[in-house]
Amino acid sequence: AQKVTQAQTEISVVEKEDVTLDCVYETRDTTYYLFWYKQPPSGELVFLIRRNSFDEQNEISGRYSWNFQKSTSSFNFTITASQVVDSAVYFCALSTIYNFNKFYFGSGTKLNVKP
Amino acid sequence: DAMVIQNPRYQVTQFGKPVTLSCSQTLNHNVMYWYQQKSSQAPKLLFHYYDKDFNNEADTPDNFQSRRPNTSFCFLDIRSPGLGDAAMYLCATSREQQETQYFGPGTRLLVL
Repeated sequence: AQKVTQAQTEISVVEKEDVTLDCVYETRDTTYYLFWYKQPPSGELVFLIRRNSFDEQNEISGRYSWNFQKSTSSFNFTITASQVVDSAVYFCALSTIYNFNKFYFGSGTKLNVKP
Repeated sequence: DAMVIQNPRYQVTQFGKPVTLSCSQTLNHNVMYWYQQKSSQAPKLLFHYYDKDFNNEADTPDNFQSRRPNTSFCFLDIRSPGLGDAAMYLCATSREQQETQYFGPGTRLLVL
């Protein structure tokens, strides 16, 4: 069975703090993709990153970085020097080779960045 | 330069009155999806089209139907909306089935 767990329901930080959003996934498939999406209050899900199961390289994009560790089945997301505009709900999602169309979403982490 | 467009952004309907939500895309993607998202929950896949092939999730109520008349457009029909169908409805597209899904801004449905 496929499952994504985002244990942090809500996180509040002050602007310029670093923050890490945790994502733990479960799958027995060897080929899968992991995603992070941002959902601001407007409602649109904004794609941030896609990572396949064979690529464990960490990725950095500006203030965003992702740490993929297959050994712990985790795909964590760090925002460095957070800004108020980062306030949103962040979803981690999993799709696997047997059903690429179906995204298994985590329950989301609401990030509040206060000025 | 919106790529996945949903209209309307807000829709109010009456209990039991059929309603149609629309989605269009300028990406020429093969796959289009409809999700339902209730407050403080993750999006839930209702169905998807790969080209003209329709794929329904097993737990999608019969009250929900979809049409895809061409590559660019996809519609979600709710035949008899109930109060429990009030939610955000998100449309997404992907070029192929294993690729990233890109979401539209959503239609927030209110059922009175």
